[in-house]
Amino acid sequence: QQPVQSPQAVILREGEDAVINCSSSKALYSVHWYRQKHGEAPVFLMILLKGGEQKGHEKISASFNEKKQQSSLYLTASQLSYSGTYFCGTEHAGGTSYGKLTFGQGTILTVHP
Amino acid sequence: NAGVTQTPKFRILKIGQSMTLQCTQDMNHNYMYWYRQDPGMGLKLIYYSVGAGITDKGEVPNGYNVSRSTTEDFPLRLELAAPSQTSVYFCASSYPREGAGEQYFGPGTRLTVT
Repeated sequence: QQPVQSPQAVILREGEDAVINCSSSKALYSVHWYRQKHGEAPVFLMILLKGGEQKGHEKISASFNEKKQQSSLYLTASQLSYSGTYFCGTEHAGGTSYGKLTFGQGTILTVHP
Repeated sequence: NAGVTQTPKFRILKIGQSMTLQCTQDMNHNYMYWYRQDPGMGLKLIYYSVGAGITDKGEVPNGYNVSRSTTEDFPLRLELAAPSQTSVYFCASSYPREGAGEQYFGPGTRLTVT
């Protein structure tokens, strides 16, 4: 089942922060985050594994709450280059689900000067 | 490394025609995937493969077929094209170090069926 992302869209000014959430109704093994610029292919940001630590770089990080089957992506001090559509992809635990991602509908992030 | 390459970049098909979308990766990745992305929507998994000779259906396999005879190539076949297959098609590959692994995407094929 497709994970649900919120919000659907975010508008920021440079330097502002944003949080994008991803929620699943099924038990998760991992959560992946990708960013896609208009007309381009998605680009990998990070993976969070069940039992793993919060990940990220200085300004983009993510967390994974296994009990709630939710992940959040944190963008700090946003830059113009952060604009794009952010997708979470969920990998479900067990059986034939290993290796397959189900993507959310995306969150459109727009950063203005 | 070229990464993941896809051909063609654009194609217009008439209803009922068939075609093969080509995908090649040079990273020796075990896993390969085909997704479709409709305008303003997320990615839907069509088929995937965990290695040469092994393929499995994703969420939206109807109207498509795949084969994986080598590690490098994963072609997607459209039989009897329909307007509902108008979409952007992305091929991706990964090495499953952490779960499904970081997926590397090709540039996409933009297909219109009229």
